[in-house]
Amino acid sequence: RKEVEQDPGPFNVPEGATVAFNCTYSNSASQSFFWYRQDCRKEPKLLMSVYSSGNEDGRFTAQLNRASQYISLLIRDSKLSDSATYLCVVNIAPGNTPLVFGKGTRLSVIA
Amino acid sequence: NAGVMQNPRHLVRRRGQEARLRCSPMKGHSHVYWYRQLPEEGLKFMVYLQKENIIDESGMPKERFSAEFPKEGPSILRIQQVVRGDSAAYFCASSLQGANTEAFFGQGTRLTVV
Repeated sequence: RKEVEQDPGPFNVPEGATVAFNCTYSNSASQSFFWYRQDCRKEPKLLMSVYSSGNEDGRFTAQLNRASQYISLLIRDSKLSDSATYLCVVNIAPGNTPLVFGKGTRLSVIA
Repeated sequence: NAGVMQNPRHLVRRRGQEARLRCSPMKGHSHVYWYRQLPEEGLKFMVYLQKENIIDESGMPKERFSAEFPKEGPSILRIQQVVRGDSAAYFCASSLQGANTEAFFGQGTRLTVV
C-alpha cells in the first residue's frame, strides 16, 4: 500500500458543482494531515489543515476518518478559480517526521 | 513579511557542472525541507534540516547531492556533476515548529540540465 494515495483524476465538473476528493494513508499512527493546492508550474500552497473533528473554511470542508485511514476534501459551489491539483499531505510516521505528499488529484472546473 | 525565498528561479547547467540552489526560510522559521518534483509527478521529500543540523536525509540520493543550513545565511542544496535526470523543480519549504506541522513553500527552482 502506498504511503499516501489519491485518485489522480482528472475531475471535470461544471461551475457550481460540489466535488469530493478522498485520500488514504498507510500508517495508522499518522498525526498530522493537510490539503495543499498546486497550480500548474507553481509551488504548493496550504489550503487547510485537517482536524479530527473535521473543519470547514468557506466552501471547503475537510474530514478525517482514522478508523478507515482516509481524509476527504469537499468543495461546494465550485468556481473556475478552483481548477488546480489538490495534494493530500500526511506525516507518515508519528513524531517529527517530514510530510509526505500524495501525487495529487487534478480538478478542472468548466464554465 | 516575506515568505520562503528561493533563488535562482531558473537554472540551466551542462552535464557535469554543479548546481547550487538557495533557500531562505520565512522569518522565525528554523525548520527547512527540500522536495523534488519531476514533470507530472508528486513531490518527493529529500532532506529536512534545522540550523546547522541535518535531521532527516532519507530522501537524498547517496551520491552527488548534499544540503546544509548554516547558522547564518540560506539553506543550500548542492548537486555535483549534474546529469539530465536531475532536471526537475526543487522546492524548499519551512515551518515554525517541527516537521509534522504546516509547511510553507518557496516558488521553487527549475533546474534544466542540457
